[in-house]
Amino acid sequence: GAGVSQTPSNKVTEKGKYVELRCDPISGHTALYWYRQSLGQGPEFLIYFQGTGAADDSGLPNDRFFAVRPEGSVSTLKIQRTERGDSAVYLCASSLTTTGGNNEQFFGPGTRLTVL
Amino acid sequence: AQSVAQPEDQVNVAEGNPLTVKCTYSVSGNPYLFWYVQYPNRGLQFLLKYITGDNLVKGSYGFEAEFNKSQTSFHLKKPSALVSDSALYFCAAVNTGGFKTIFGAGTRLFVKA
Repeated sequence: GAGVSQTPSNKVTEKGKYVELRCDPISGHTALYWYRQSLGQGPEFLIYFQGTGAADDSGLPNDRFFAVRPEGSVSTLKIQRTERGDSAVYLCASSLTTTGGNNEQFFGPGTRLTVL
Repeated sequence: AQSVAQPEDQVNVAEGNPLTVKCTYSVSGNPYLFWYVQYPNRGLQFLLKYITGDNLVKGSYGFEAEFNKSQTSFHLKKPSALVSDSALYFCAAVNTGGFKTIFGAGTRLFVKA
């Protein structure tokens, strides 16, 4: 079956611009996660959705970062006024409904963001 | 601060030999623990997890992991390594009842023929 997909696969932008990164989770997965992965590091948690609501957004680094999931399926990560330090691979993952984070996550291939 | 440590950036092992990739965690309570693998040009894939119960858990591709509460460790093991096991391995922890997943920095495994 179809896995988690992310678009675009690569995004190059200029400092100060606005970008949107999209994630299509596995059908039926109500839990959705966003991570940021810098070179040589593990994924860094950004935000978790259960359905349409952001249940934990404690990992968003500042108010330039925002994510939505209006219909409980597709999610968009939005970054305003991009900075060079935002350059990284942004990963999306989804998992089955759970009462706690004990289900494995299925990861997308990531979006490589480069801010010039 | 909560964290997951993978003390080895790289592990080298000969094909057919046993392998161990180390992981320790500093997470409050009784966390759920996971191992994921990343092959070149592919996304992260789930290998195995510890939720509760038996300290030795078995997962995909012949991998297993041993949970040790007193040492707060969750080391990944395989009795006989294959060249195809060469990849980047990540250990992760989630607080019981929570969802925020904390990943280690990763360990690159090289299996030499």
